[in-house]
Amino acid sequence: AQTVTQSQPEMSVQEAETVTLSCTYDTSESDYYLFWYKQPPSRQMILVIRQEAYKQQNATENRFSVNFQKAAKSFSLKISDSQLGDAAMYFCAYRTQGGSEKLVFGKGTKLTVNP
Amino acid sequence: GAVVSQHPSRVICKSGTSVKIECRSLDFQATTMFWYRQFPKQSLMLMATSNEGSKATYEQGVEKDKFLINHASLTLSTLTVTSAHPEDSSFYICSARDLIWGNYGYTFGSGTRLTVV
Repeated sequence: AQTVTQSQPEMSVQEAETVTLSCTYDTSESDYYLFWYKQPPSRQMILVIRQEAYKQQNATENRFSVNFQKAAKSFSLKISDSQLGDAAMYFCAYRTQGGSEKLVFGKGTKLTVNP
Repeated sequence: GAVVSQHPSRVICKSGTSVKIECRSLDFQATTMFWYRQFPKQSLMLMATSNEGSKATYEQGVEKDKFLINHASLTLSTLTVTSAHPEDSSFYICSARDLIWGNYGYTFGSGTRLTVV
């Protein structure tokens, strides 16, 4: 079964600085999707960014980018120019292939942004 | 963008009663709905997966007779917590997969905080 590991329970960053959140996963599949979700205090899950495993190019969404290392099974999220509104729980997720194609989540990283 | 409306946002019920939580996809057809449970400061734990018109598939350890899931249409899925007990108190979240845009990420409801007293 696939597993997702986020080794940083908590991270902090100064406003306007850059922070990187780590995520590793374990799978035997060759084609899959990876996601980063944000859960602010409102607890609404918000999609931040996604990456298709077959694409070598790292995904980018404005201030958010990923470093996808398929061979290493690593999928880190970089947040540039951090803003106070970025403070939230961040969950890395792997989407299984076939069947229900459910999401497998990591345990999350709590990001604090200091003014 | 895709929106999933989840109601109620908060509910308090007495022990032994049943509670129904609804999730509606407002502008797309949700072929698959996922139901999660989230404890404070923890990750989302998948409870079950439902496909429209089919019986739900429950994850190991989840009591299917206690957590009844119905997905009767492509826009509505419900989770009923039967004979609720205080240990069922938790945050429940639904997530819908769009038939067309599912690869772009699943859309989540805003969650329901259930308190059983």
